[in-house]
This record gives sequence, structure tokens and C-alpha cells, in this order.
Amino acid sequence: DVKVTQSSRYLVKRTGEKVFLECVQDMDHENMFWYRQDPGLGLRLIYFSYDVKMKEKGDIPEGYSVSREKKERFSLILESASTNQTSMYLCASSSRGELGYGYTFGSGTRLTVV
Amino acid sequence: AQSVAQPEDQVNVAEGNPLTVKCTYSVSGNPYLFWYVQYPNRGLQFLLKYITGDNLVKGSYGFEAEFNKSQTSFHLKKPSALVSDSALYFCAVRDLLNYYGQNFVFGPGTRLSVLP
Repeated sequence: DVKVTQSSRYLVKRTGEKVFLECVQDMDHENMFWYRQDPGLGLRLIYFSYDVKMKEKGDIPEGYSVSREKKERFSLILESASTNQTSMYLCASSSRGELGYGYTFGSGTRLTVV
Repeated sequence: AQSVAQPEDQVNVAEGNPLTVKCTYSVSGNPYLFWYVQYPNRGLQFLLKYITGDNLVKGSYGFEAEFNKSQTSFHLKKPSALVSDSALYFCAVRDLLNYYGQNFVFGPGTRLSVLP
């Protein structure tokens, strides 16, 4: 069964901490994405990677960075966590060029910053 | 700009009744339209999609959606709702103008509650 795995389901971190959210996919997909989900706002794109070591800023990249050293792994980094980064974080992957196909999502990480 | 609207935050329906979750879109070019469902504290799961062809598409769990080009709508439907259908539903359209066409624009979501 193909899947996208996010390393933590729930995380609680303190303000100012550096936080790493990990995502691994086993489908050999070129594209990987990080979204945050907030009530009434839907999903907002934080960062997008279309290949190893390649990344593009999404709609809300401030306060975040990413790393993609291997094709299957895409990490989201909160450089100095703040309470307004409390949210549900979703990782997704897709095959590049396959416009008729959608995403495969991970189960999400609910991050609380206190 | 590409956009998706889901005009209802919440839809309530009695079990056994038909349900509709509404979606309208605005895109340049041909739309690639998707519906996803999210159960509590989980990621999104694919339900169905419209790419081309028949305007009525069928998907998982008995759901279907009707593509209407003139009304730029892609409403999700099910003839007989189940309590287990209660979840958050997202409509999405592929953004062909940005991010090399690899990204989706999502609507804000509609919470469906099916009452026993």
C-alpha cells in the first residue's frame, strides 16, 4: 500500500524552539508539498519541492524552511517556533507531469506551540 | 487567479437523505477538479476527479460529482447519506498558472454532519 508517512501525529513545542517535521513517501514521486491547515482557511501551501534539493516558496513561507536531501524525504523546519504556528501540518506528494492525478497525503501533524 | 469557493461552512443532512456539497471554481483554461475528504485528525483522502469526458463522475464510497462548465461548478453528491460520511470535504482545482502546474488550490472546506 503506497503511502506518505509523517513522523509525528501530535507535537507540543515551546516558543523559540527549532522544530523539525519529517515526511517520507514510498511512491518515487518527484513532487512533495507542505501545507498548513487552519479552520476556515483551508490548506495553504508553505513550500513545494519538485526534485531533490529543489524548493519553491509557497503562499506562506515566512518562518519556515525546508530540506530535501533525498527524493523520498521532505522536511519542514520551524526556525523559531511561535504560537501563531500552532496548526495542522500536512505533507503531500505527487508525480510530476501527471496532471490528471492528485496528491497522496500524509496523516498530518498537529503542532501546538506553547 | 485560480480560486475555489465552497459557499457552505457546514451542511447538515439526515441519514438516508440525499446530500450535496457545493463547489464553484475560477480557472484559466480547462479545469482539473478534485474532491477530497478528511476524517478527524487524519490527512486528506481522494474521493473523485473530473479531467475530461462525462460531466457526471463517480468516486469512492458512493459519491459522485457533476461538472457544470457554464456555472463553473463541481458539486459533490450522494443519493443516500450515511452517518459515517460525516467529515470535512475539500474541493480543489489544479493551479496551471503557478508552481509549474504541479500545485492545487483548495477551497476552505465544508463540514458535513449526517444525523442519525
